[in-house]
Amino acid sequence: ETGVTQSPTHLIKTRGQQVTLRCSSQSGHNTVSWYQQALGQGPQFIFQYYREEENGRGNFPPRFSGLQFPNYSSELNVNALELDDSALYLCASSFGGFWASGRSGANVLTFGAGSRLTVL
Amino acid sequence: DQQVKQNSPSLSVQEGRISILNCDYTNSMFDYFLWYKKYPAEGPTFLISISSIKDKNEDGRFTVFLNKSAKHLSLHIVPSQPGDSAVYFCAARAGTSYGKLTFGQGTILTVHP
Repeated sequence: ETGVTQSPTHLIKTRGQQVTLRCSSQSGHNTVSWYQQALGQGPQFIFQYYREEENGRGNFPPRFSGLQFPNYSSELNVNALELDDSALYLCASSFGGFWASGRSGANVLTFGAGSRLTVL
Repeated sequence: DQQVKQNSPSLSVQEGRISILNCDYTNSMFDYFLWYKKYPAEGPTFLISISSIKDKNEDGRFTVFLNKSAKHLSLHIVPSQPGDSAVYFCAARAGTSYGKLTFGQGTILTVHP
């Protein structure tokens, strides 16, 4: 069983640029969530994708967008980068969907190691 | 508005003793709570969870207690081991928002040999 993998692990961008981060979900998982973790803080929910559609969004502006592909992998895109976007971006996968609510272990998120973004 | 708070940034305990990590929440809609552990350069890994219909859940050395009236939960680790040294995050979820967790700021646990 492969876990959640993210790429790239580290990257440096300048203010105003755009970035794409990638995530491969754990096998058997069909839901992907993205989180931003600033230094010294807990992860903060950006959005979730289920069946290739955004299915919940946190308090992040529209310049944060995403995609989910038929194989359940996902991308996070951030446009017009700002200095405050510097953070660890975590991808998490789970087996979601309304039918999973009673299933043991369902909906426990499995996280990747993250992509460390530095904006200069 | 911090809906999940871990008021202790760090905790230091001796090997073999009990570690108690605390977490408070404000949102009454939260009905499922989780603890995650994070080592440097790794993603958070799931440790233990508890539903709001329970007040205790145990898994080996780890026990989570939930006090709904006080909106407080705690994680007990007994006995603590040096390998338990990590950052511990408390997280909460409301209803069927399966992928949306609200995390606390984390507590750095250091277990000394």
